[in-house]
Amino acid sequence: GDSVTQMEGPVTLSEEAFLTINCTYTATGYPSLFWYVQYPGEGLQLLLKATKADDKGSNKGFEATYRKETTSFHLEKGSVQVSDSAVYFCALSPSGGYNKLIFGAGTRLAVHP
Amino acid sequence: KAGVTQTPRYLIKTRGQQVTLSCSPISGHRSVSWYQQTPGQGLQFLFEYFSETQRNKGNFPGRFSGRQFSNSRSEMNVSTLELGDSALYLCASSLEGAANTEAFFGQGTRLTVV
Repeated sequence: GDSVTQMEGPVTLSEEAFLTINCTYTATGYPSLFWYVQYPGEGLQLLLKATKADDKGSNKGFEATYRKETTSFHLEKGSVQVSDSAVYFCALSPSGGYNKLIFGAGTRLAVHP
Repeated sequence: KAGVTQTPRYLIKTRGQQVTLSCSPISGHRSVSWYQQTPGQGLQFLFEYFSETQRNKGNFPGRFSGRQFSNSRSEMNVSTLELGDSALYLCASSLEGAANTEAFFGQGTRLTVV
């Protein structure tokens, strides 16, 4: 079945460091891909999305490119801030799957000043 | 614009009991999905409703059920509670029924089964 694998955390970085969180997926057809973020004490929020191959999603300095050849959707940010500390979830919505989301295990990011 | 509202926020139940959780989606949203979040299994899809019809169901036993009302509000029910049902239950609403539509999540209901 469809699945998402993302790198295990926690990831600990200093402020202004470069961030990469790896995400790969297994799915038939052409799923939509998402990154959701869960800040401490808050609900899940959509960070960015991409709906077809080679699409780049971007928001708040974060970027991810839908790579069908490598079935990947890695999250990157050039310079992280303390306020980026959160848990990041990679997710896919199967083609024809309506609003069903399949999530990765989540990666906790801690950014220190 | 009000977000997704889930009630109650916290719940403690005894094994064998049943429980009903409620979700009020964002006004105008017709799709409501439910997820279970646990430290061991992560976020798992339970089911999705659109215009009062269940369109998708995850791999959970029949003790987990749901419904959606004509105003798009949704409830999920868990019967014969087990200790393993302790989890954060999240509801998400979406404007449309397409797979690439953004899902807006509520804060969740934390269920503890003792």
